[in-house]
Amino acid sequence: EIVLTQSPGTLSLSPGERATLSCRTSQSGGSNYLAWYQQKPGQAPRLLIYGASSRATGIPDRFSGSGSGKDFTLTINGLEPEDFAVYYCQHYGRTFGQGTKVEIK
Amino acid sequence: QVQLQESGPGLVRPSETLSLSCSVSDVSSTSHYWSWVRQPPGKGLEWIGYIYKTGITNYSPSLKPRVTISIDTSKSQFSLKLNSVTAADTAVYYCARGSPDHGDYDSWGQGTLVSVSS
Repeated sequence: EIVLTQSPGTLSLSPGERATLSCRTSQSGGSNYLAWYQQKPGQAPRLLIYGASSRATGIPDRFSGSGSGKDFTLTINGLEPEDFAVYYCQHYGRTFGQGTKVEIK
Repeated sequence: QVQLQESGPGLVRPSETLSLSCSVSDVSSTSHYWSWVRQPPGKGLEWIGYIYKTGITNYSPSLKPRVTISIDTSKSQFSLKLNSVTAADTAVYYCARGSPDHGDYDSWGQGTLVSVSS
């Protein structure tokens, strides 16, 4: 069973800053199957990125995904007020990472 | 995207079986699979399992002994059964649509809170 480790646990930033979130898998392979989600309180997760780097429908281009092998990154360029939320990575439609909370500094 | 809606009891007694259904606008797609994910209060997301239209399933190893996911295309819904529940199974349960091409979930239900308590 693959384990996904996200870091940091919490990221404190100001609007307009860049957020860099990390997701490391315990096994390499399957880069095409790495997804990122955003979740706000009381809401279902929303798909942001699939296939490690492809933006889902309707996702602004300030969100970008990169990485391969075991190491993946979600970057948010120019944080908007609505971007403060919890972000999860997921591998192969199964295991989720534990999440990174992006909070207002 | 597609519309999904969970339904089922909000309260289950310990040791009993949790049963939920997810109604989908179109469950007959052969290009997707249908999944259950849960989230304990204040915690992260946990994958439970998924099912294809053909009935092929894949379950989380930690829950596999207690989980059954089934699909009824005539009713356009799929279901979750989790037996021998404990307080640790208290969570918001989400149904979602998955893509085999990339393993992502592009459509989610709103979620339903199930509490396990006597």
